[in-house]
Parts: sequence; C-alpha cells; structure tokens
Amino acid sequence: DIVMTQTPLSLSVTPGQPASISCKSSQSLLGSDGKTYLYWYLQKPGQPPQLLIYEVSNRFSGVPDRFSGSGSGTDFTLKISRVEAEDVGVYYCMQTIHLPRTFGQGTKLEIK
Amino acid sequence: EVQVLESGGGLVQPGGSLRLSCAASGFTFSNYAMNWVRRAPGKGLAWVSLISSTGGSTYYADSVRGRFTISRDNSQNTLYLQMNSLRAEDTAIYYCAKGWLGPDYWGQGTLVTVSS
Repeated sequence: DIVMTQTPLSLSVTPGQPASISCKSSQSLLGSDGKTYLYWYLQKPGQPPQLLIYEVSNRFSGVPDRFSGSGSGTDFTLKISRVEAEDVGVYYCMQTIHLPRTFGQGTKLEIK
Repeated sequence: EVQVLESGGGLVQPGGSLRLSCAASGFTFSNYAMNWVRRAPGKGLAWVSLISSTGGSTYYADSVRGRFTISRDNSQNTLYLQMNSLRAEDTAIYYCAKGWLGPDYWGQGTLVTVSS
C-alpha cells in the first residue's frame, strides 16, 4: 500500500498569514498518462470532506484562489496564501493512482 | 445540484450486520464509480470500498474484505454497503463519495456504532 505522510499534524495560524502543509508518498503518484493522482481535501468541523485540489494543482469548482497545490512525484504541498477563519478544519492528502486508496493522517488547522 | 445522501447507520452489537444506503441525485449515477470512506472517532479518513460505474468491479480495504460488500442499483440511483461480522473498530461515520479518482462530492455521512 502507498503510505501518505503529512507534516505538520497541526498548525496554528494568525488570520491573514500564510500556511503550508506537506504530503509525501511512499511511491510516485505519476501515472502512465502523465497525470499525477494527488488530491487535497478539507474537512470542516461537523461537515463531510470537501475537495479542494485535484491532480496536484487544479482547484476544484468554487475553491478560493488563496488555495494552491504544487509538487511532483512523491512530494507535494498545499499552500494557503492568507488564512481566513473559515479555513479551520482538518486537511488531508489522498492518492488514487493505486488501490487501496490511501489518505495522509490529516493536518489540523486552527486560528490563533 | 449533485447530492448524495447516506442512511442506514445505527447501533449494532459486535458480530452483527447493517446495510448502508446512499441515494444519489443531480448527476447520471450510472456513469460514475462510487466509494465508501469512513472516519472513526478521533482518527482520520480511511477508504473502505470502491465500485465501478456498472458494478462489475469492486475493491476493498484489507480491514473489511470478506466482511463488507459494496453494490449498486443503477435503476434506483442507489449505492449500498452490506456490513457483516461487525467489530468495535468499525465504529465510524461512513460517507459515500462520487468518482473513480479523487471523489468530488461527498454525503453528510451516517454513523455506525458497534457496541454491546
């Protein structure tokens, strides 16, 4: 199974400041079609997970442009340019190049 | 508007069974693979199972293989998860989620509690 490792596991950020979460996979997520199957989700308190970023760097419909994703191969990063109060929750990376699908442990973002 | 709505959760004794349902609307259900993902108390997300758009292919996490069965009825736009031989560690909120790759729409979830 592909192991997804996120750092840090928790983050406390002042509103308006940037935040960054790292996700490393135990195998390359680059497919034979040239796409990289790394996704980012946010689970806000009391809500289901919501898709933020697909295939490393593409924002899903309705996701604010303060969220961005980057990386390649086995190393990926989610960045929030200016954190807002509504960004609190747990962030997960997920790989879908292989079965079983696997998630990172989650990174809890809190507001200072 | 895409919607998926889970139901069927509840309290069950260890060794018991439960069947979850997920009603889909707002998209052509028969064109999309579907997933079950769970979140146990105090833990992160864990993928449980995946079924192809036709239902012809199914996949499971090792932790549930042989105990859980995923299925779908495309005429009723409904996804199912039959859970047998339930264990305390299966206690979680179970979400259904649309899509073969990174699931893009998720339901609100249904709580399954396995306890005596």
